[in-house]
Amino acid sequence: DAKTTQPPSMDCAEGRAANLPCNHSTISGNEYVYWYRQIHSQGPQYIIHGLKNNETNEMASLIITEDRKSSTLILPHATLRDTAVYYCIVRVAYSGYALNFGKGTSLLVTP
Amino acid sequence: EAGVVQSPRYKIIEKKQPVAFWCNPISGHNTLYWYLQNLGQGPELLIRYENEEAVDDSQLPKDRFSAERLKGVDSTLKIQPAELGDSAVYLCASSLAGGPVGELFFGEGSRLTVL
Repeated sequence: DAKTTQPPSMDCAEGRAANLPCNHSTISGNEYVYWYRQIHSQGPQYIIHGLKNNETNEMASLIITEDRKSSTLILPHATLRDTAVYYCIVRVAYSGYALNFGKGTSLLVTP
Repeated sequence: EAGVVQSPRYKIIEKKQPVAFWCNPISGHNTLYWYLQNLGQGPELLIRYENEEAVDDSQLPKDRFSAERLKGVDSTLKIQPAELGDSAVYLCASSLAGGPVGELFFGEGSRLTVL
């Protein structure tokens, strides 16, 4: 699996958009970008995934650059409950393969 | 539908004692994972099962750690004997291999403290 690079921490004001970047310059053509988050004292939770097109669901939007070497997770209206560690993971989809987590980005949403 | 269930949530033991963690995956999920998470770090895979077969246990310290998944449903992770460095959160996850997303569902974890 390709490696990813994320900033260790970010802050965001409540109600504003949180934009979390991820670099994955060695991504292969059959690898997807997954985002998970982990709220304190809980297990990681799936947010969204994508291959090359931008994706949106009820939780977030995923913007992947045309060369697929980087992506951005967007939480459109961050709330205090979005405070968590966010992990960007690159992996082949449609398989039972494990996720290889890095250290992620610790997002703090402030009032 | 119930999620991934783990027990116990917390366990405190003295070093050299044995400990066991139990995981019940989501019904119908054929793939089960055990992860180790140290403080401030992301989860690290210990072992992955497809049904009752351990298909990836390369990161499991086999001198003291063991795992089983009898009948391809629930699973137990054991440490014997525990060392101070084993203090961590042990996470269990399950997925439906070959499903459209390959999404992993995690339990809340079992926090181990070794004194």
